[in-house]
Amino acid sequence: EVQLVESGGGLVQPGRSLRLSCTASGFTFGDYAMSWVRQAPGKGLEWVGFIRSKAYGGTTEYAASVKGRFTISRDDSKSIAYLQMNSLKTEDTAVYYCTRVVSSGYYSNWFDPWGQGTLVTVSS
Amino acid sequence: SYVLTQPPSVSVAPGQTARITCGGNNIGSKSVHWYQQKPGQAPVLVVYDDSDRPSGIPERFSGSNSGNTATLTISRVEAGDEADYYCQVWDSSSDHPYWVFGGGTKLTVL
Repeated sequence: EVQLVESGGGLVQPGRSLRLSCTASGFTFGDYAMSWVRQAPGKGLEWVGFIRSKAYGGTTEYAASVKGRFTISRDDSKSIAYLQMNSLKTEDTAVYYCTRVVSSGYYSNWFDPWGQGTLVTVSS
Repeated sequence: SYVLTQPPSVSVAPGQTARITCGGNNIGSKSVHWYQQKPGQAPVLVVYDDSDRPSGIPERFSGSNSGNTATLTISRVEAGDEADYYCQVWDSSSDHPYWVFGGGTKLTVL
């Protein structure tokens, strides 16, 4: 069974840092790009960023709202993706989901499955 | 940036057909994916590539995409279909591609 499990969420003060982890199982982790999506309380889904597989350079892309503050990395030997969040703001408060990127071609990519999510609360 | 527009809410009686729209500029030229999210749960993929269903998703869920509107259709709606539904596309038009979600539609089963 393909499974993603996030960890590392919690309460953090504005301006501080937090690192989330996403542990994958049930598939060849290194073959897939991985992405993070967040959802503020009572709001919709917002894409945060993703990391390509090593076969495509392992490079990253980020949403404008987090670029320069958040960094995604991966450890294929451990099947873990990370989201390093620096300079956190109150508006970063959200449930953060890890998800696998699935493609049917360059122009079509979707997310399946999703982890259960981990709550990050940024507050003083 | 690319914008996807969904109606905030749709209501339907059990056994009827629900149609949830997702509007975007020339969205028919993109591949659209749909997710279902029940309260307190993670999103689940219900339709990908406009009209394909992942394994385990009932045939009652179908999708279409043309022009400026994509549509998720749920036939013979059941109480268990009550959830938020999000459409999504991948915008590869720039050097830095990114994903876009619609604002979500709350489906209420009357």
